[in-house]
Amino acid sequence: GNSVTQMEGPVTLSEEAFLTINCTYTATGYPSLFWYVQYPGEGLQLLLKATKADDKGSNKGFEATYRKETTSFHLEKGSVQVSDSAVYFCALRGEAGTALIFGKGTTLSVSS
Amino acid sequence: EPEVTQTPSHQVTQMGQEVILRCVPISNHLYFYWYRQILGQKVEFLVSFYNNEISEKSEIFDDQFSVERPDGSNFTLKIRSTKLEDSAMYFCASSEMRLAGVRREQYFGPGTRLTVT
Repeated sequence: GNSVTQMEGPVTLSEEAFLTINCTYTATGYPSLFWYVQYPGEGLQLLLKATKADDKGSNKGFEATYRKETTSFHLEKGSVQVSDSAVYFCALRGEAGTALIFGKGTTLSVSS
Repeated sequence: EPEVTQTPSHQVTQMGQEVILRCVPISNHLYFYWYRQILGQKVEFLVSFYNNEISEKSEIFDDQFSVERPDGSNFTLKIRSTKLEDSAMYFCASSEMRLAGVRREQYFGPGTRLTVT
């Protein structure tokens, strides 16, 4: 079945550092891929998405590229801010279904 | 900006009791979902609901669970006889109707933390 694996956290960075959170997936066909973010006390918010191979999703300085050959969708940001501290979830949705399949989430803590 | 709301934010119940978790989806959305996250584990899909019927459900969503849209604004998840392992954060989500095969983004609520003692 479909599944998502993302790197374990917590990830602790200083402000302006480079961020990478790894995400790999297992799925048949061509799933859609997503990164969601959860700030303390809030719900999951869509950060970015990509619906086909080689698409790059981007938002708020974050980027992720849908790599079919490596089944990956790694999240990157060139310069993190304290306000980026949150839990980040990688997710996929299969070609035909409605369900989102999530990774375990990675906690990012950025200090000034 | 419209948002999905959930009540209560925290529910404590005794094993064997029935609980109802409530959600108010975004008003023009027609697809509704429940997910759960057991502490330290993945967010897991439970069920999706459209046009007053379940459109997809996971193996977690057994006979102890049911969903309902009792009126034009609420979407509920009922657990008939709670077990200790039902303790989790439950997230409601909603999305717009599919248009021309495009499946819309799911908007999530802040969650209800259910503690079964």
